[in-house]
Amino acid sequence: RKEVEQDPGPFNVPEGATVAFNCTYSNSASQSFFWYRQDCRKEPKLLMSVYSSGNEDGRFTAQLNRASQYISLLIRDSKLSDSATYLCVVSAMDSSYKLIFGSGTRLLVRP
Amino acid sequence: GAGVSQTPSNKVTEKGKYVELRCDPISGHTALYWYRQSLGQGPEFLIYFQGTGAADDSGLPNDRFFAVRPEGSVSTLKIQRTERGDSAVYLCASSLTGPGDEQFFGPGTRLTVL
Repeated sequence: RKEVEQDPGPFNVPEGATVAFNCTYSNSASQSFFWYRQDCRKEPKLLMSVYSSGNEDGRFTAQLNRASQYISLLIRDSKLSDSATYLCVVSAMDSSYKLIFGSGTRLLVRP
Repeated sequence: GAGVSQTPSNKVTEKGKYVELRCDPISGHTALYWYRQSLGQGPEFLIYFQGTGAADDSGLPNDRFFAVRPEGSVSTLKIQRTERGDSAVYLCASSLTGPGDEQFFGPGTRLTVL
């Protein structure tokens, strides 16, 4: 079983739609949580950190449920430029430098 | 300022050959990481440097893989006796001091072993 699991998609949505991605992680000792964005043939870039209290950055909202070991990302009012792969990432308390990536969820936003 | 740079951007080699992949971290970043990303997968951790020393090399798949960072800046990932299964994108990242800091990734080196 992978440490971080995501639905690979693709999620194909029209512009303006709201879309949600979920991810589960297996190591209850995980301490830090992130969403990264990766465009085709480009490097991953940090989208946002995820906190237990939930956090929002513009059209993006991330939630963490430690009891269920579940992380979510909500994108409102999708733009064409949101088309990318979204990687769910966790790190452990004793090795917080070691990022553990999911395989990613691909999002396609169509006109 | 300049981000993380990696050279070459693409490398094609034959099975059994030796390759070196180079990473130039962001100036002033003391922590450096190597990851490997296979097609359709997320990046997988290989090794973490703090300064000149490898603080954690637990992700290196076997002893054909080795990495150095002799002066605490540029790092080289070395792969001996390459195999077709080594084909992947090798990503380098750096962060300011280490654990807890944001990791900034370079564009990667796409390695193809024929």
